[in-house]
Amino acid sequence: KAGVTQTPRYLIKTRGQQVTLSCSPISGHRSVSWYQQTPGQGLQFLFEYFSETQRNKGNFPGRFSGRQFSNSRSEMNVSTLELGDSALYLCASSVWTGTGHEQYFGPGTRLTVT
Amino acid sequence: EDQVTQSPEALRLQEGESSSLNCSYTVSGLRGLFWYRQDPGKGPEFLFTLYSAGEEKEKERLKATLTKKESFLHITAPKPEDSATYLCAVQAAGANSKLTFGKGITLSVRP
Repeated sequence: KAGVTQTPRYLIKTRGQQVTLSCSPISGHRSVSWYQQTPGQGLQFLFEYFSETQRNKGNFPGRFSGRQFSNSRSEMNVSTLELGDSALYLCASSVWTGTGHEQYFGPGTRLTVT
Repeated sequence: EDQVTQSPEALRLQEGESSSLNCSYTVSGLRGLFWYRQDPGKGPEFLFTLYSAGEEKEKERLKATLTKKESFLHITAPKPEDSATYLCAVQAAGANSKLTFGKGITLSVRP
């Protein structure tokens, strides 16, 4: 079974621009979560989508947004980029197995804002 | 607010020298505690989910245990390929799939 895939893997943008990142979850997984990872703050939760609905949101400004499509694929968008948005953006897909919860991460998109 | 603290921040071991990594947590109703391994430049790799105090899970040289306040990841006779950052995260009841992570423990195993 294929894992979580994220595109692009690397991205360089300029301050003020916007960016869209894409995530394809593991087949059969309907929940997709996004995280930001930086050396100083570690992994921080951005938001979660389930069946095309956002059902949880972290403490990030409104410049960070996302959506999920009917095939469970998800995108996140960051508008008006700031230098501090440079980070590894990770997508995770989740499934309840009946006996427990499992959450798998993709390889991430490395965003550099100059 | 849910909090996860991992210690030590970094650990250097000799190959074969067993040790434990600590994860202390406070959460408003624990739904699950997760352990991940992360190699540089890669996404976290799922290791275990623990659900209740007293539960233990094993995978190769790794064994995870859970109490009401902390979890331990025991590494038995580590090898250099076990070198990585180990992340602990909690999932609170009612939080859906949101995980709150600790800062991680960087493990280096010398041959």
